[in-house]
Amino acid sequence: RKEVEQDPGPFNVPEGATVAFNCTYSNSASQSFFWYRQDCRKEPKLLMSVYSSGNEDGRFTAQLNRASQYISLLIRDSKLSDSATYLCVVIKAAGNKLTFGGGTRVLVKP
Amino acid sequence: NAGVMQNPRHLVRRRGQEARLRCSPVKGHSHVYWYRQLPEEGLKFMVYLQKENIIDESGMPKERFSAEFPKEGPSILRIQQVVRGDSAAYFCASSPGDRELFFGEGSRLTVL
Repeated sequence: RKEVEQDPGPFNVPEGATVAFNCTYSNSASQSFFWYRQDCRKEPKLLMSVYSSGNEDGRFTAQLNRASQYISLLIRDSKLSDSATYLCVVIKAAGNKLTFGGGTRVLVKP
Repeated sequence: NAGVMQNPRHLVRRRGQEARLRCSPVKGHSHVYWYRQLPEEGLKFMVYLQKENIIDESGMPKERFSAEFPKEGPSILRIQQVVRGDSAAYFCASSPGDRELFFGEGSRLTVL
């Protein structure tokens, strides 16, 4: 089993709709979680951190479910510019390397 | 503040030549990561370094690839005797510790 797994998609989303997807992690000792966004042929950029209490940034909401060992990202009112690959990142413990999921591709269509 | 700087942005090499990719982390960051991304594929971890030390190189091919992060100067990813399969985007990222990564724009290697 991979350390961090994501549904590769693509998720085809009508403009204005809501889309949500998860990222599962295998190590229960994981302690820090992030969502990154990567546009085609560009570097990944931090989208948001994921806190135990969940957090929201505009149209984006991230949740952490420690019991089931997954994090989620929800995008409301999808825009064409939201089309990208969304990568989750998990850190096991202080000083350990960050592990990326394979990414979930989202395509928002008019 | 300058972000992570990678150079060269594009590099073309013939089979058998050497490729050297450089990465200057964000000022004050002592953790550097290298990732490789093949076309249409996800990021693959290669190596994690802290100043002068390789912490985790489990993603590095056993031969031809090496990385360093000296006390002074940028981190270097070196690929000897390149083959066509080495053609990829190589991303460097830095971090102050167990926190989020900041990525450079990548170095795109093409092997002819």
